Amino acid sequence: DGGITQSPKYLFRKEGQNVTLSCEQNLNHDAMYWYRQDPGQGLRLIYYSQIVNDFQKGDIAEGYSVSREKKESFPLTVTSAQKNPTAFYLCASSILRGSTGGRYGYTFGSGTRLTVV
Amino acid sequence: KQEVTQIPAALSVPEGENLVLNCSFTDSAIYNLQWFRQDPGKGLTSLLLIQSSQREQTSGRLNASLDKSSGRSTLYIAASQPGDSATYLCAVLTQGGSEKLVFGKGTKLTVNP
Repeated sequence: DGGITQSPKYLFRKEGQNVTLSCEQNLNHDAMYWYRQDPGQGLRLIYYSQIVNDFQKGDIAEGYSVSREKKESFPLTVTSAQKNPTAFYLCASSILRGSTGGRYGYTFGSGTRLTVV
Repeated sequence: KQEVTQIPAALSVPEGENLVLNCSFTDSAIYNLQWFRQDPGKGLTSLLLIQSSQREQTSGRLNASLDKSSGRSTLYIAASQPGDSATYLCAVLTQGGSEKLVFGKGTKLTVNP
C-alpha cells in the first residue's frame, strides 16, 4: 500500500541533544512537508520541499533543519537550538500540480511524538 | 495572511443526530479546501477535498460544501455514530507565494451512544 511512514512513533530527547525524525513516502509525490502540532494551537508549518535538494522555511523553522536528498525521504532534525521541542510532529506529501493546473490534497503520516526528558 | 477559524471548538451530540461543522477563512484566493479527521494521538486522515471551482463533495455520510466568495465551508455528518468521535480539521491551500496549507484549530466531536 502507498503511504507515508514516520518513525519512530515516540522519541525522547535529552537537553542539548539533536534528534532526527524520519519521513518516507512511496506515493511518488513531488512535495513534502513538516508540521508541528501543539494543544490548542493547531498545525504549524516548519519546512517544506517541492523538489529534491531544495527546501524552504515555513512559519516556525528556527531550531530545525531538513534535507531532501531523495524524492522519497524528508528527515527533520530537531536541534538543541529548539528550546521547546515537545510536540507532535506530522509529515505530509502532495503532488504539486495536476494536468489541468489544479492542486491535489495532502496525505499525512501517523506522526512522531517528541518529548524532552 | 490567511486565517482559518473553526466553530464550534467542541461539540457533543447523541448518536443518530445530523450535525454541521463550520469553517471560515479570510482570503478567498484558494486552490482547494480539505477536511481531515484526527483521532487522539494519530495522524490526519483526509475526508474530503473540494477544489475552488466546486461547490460540494460527498463521501458516504459526509457532505462538504464550499462558498469561496464568502470564505465559508461546512462539513455535514448524517446519522452520527460513536465511531465518528474525533477532531475534525479544516485546511485551505492558499494561492500565491509558498502556496501553503493553512489549518484551523479543529472541532472536537463527541458522539454519545
